[in-house]
Amino acid sequence: EAGVVQSPRYKIIEKKQPVAFWCNPISGHNTLYWYLQNLGQGPELLIRYENEEAVDDSQLPKDRFSAERLKGVDSTLKIQPAELGDSAVYLCASSLNLGAYEQYFGPGTRLTVT
Amino acid sequence: QKEVEQDPGPLSVPEGAIVSLNCTYSNSAFQYFMWYRQYSRKGPELLMYTYSSGNKEDGRFTAQVDKSSKYISLFIRDSQPSDSATYLCAMRSSGNQGGKLIFGQGTELSVKP
Repeated sequence: EAGVVQSPRYKIIEKKQPVAFWCNPISGHNTLYWYLQNLGQGPELLIRYENEEAVDDSQLPKDRFSAERLKGVDSTLKIQPAELGDSAVYLCASSLNLGAYEQYFGPGTRLTVT
Repeated sequence: QKEVEQDPGPLSVPEGAIVSLNCTYSNSAFQYFMWYRQYSRKGPELLMYTYSSGNKEDGRFTAQVDKSSKYISLFIRDSQPSDSATYLCAMRSSGNQGGKLIFGQGTELSVKP
């Protein structure tokens, strides 16, 4: 069974440029999560979806970040414009549903903003 | 103060040592306690899961939860070089829709041959 797929794995952009990350969750998983992981820190939730509905986006900086999960499967996280402080690893995870305790993580996208 | 505090690393031990990793938390609503392992350049993977208080053993790994002290531990017996990774504690509250998973900052472990 394929795991959570993320692309790109690495991205280097200049500040003020836009960037987008893509995530394909495990087949059959209704819940999808986007996390931010800074160096030496644990992941922090940005947004979580139940099917196509965002059920918790309180940690998403909405002035520059946006996310969508069309058709309740793939998801895209966008930053526009990027700032130097956005350099981090962006992790996508999925679970069977909101109540499932196990989340399966993708390998992440390492973003460097110069 | 963070909701979940994890002992800072890095931690370096010789092969075969017993490793103890710990976290404290402040939110008494947490009911689910997990340990994730994260290898370099990889995403976290679930290692151990415990509901409420008590101990759970899986091979060389033992997870302990003491809700009265708001303290959780992961013990690794007979540590191996392949155990070298960052270990993240994580916890959440219960409920039909589940609570947000809160992670500790992680402890980097290095097991030397």
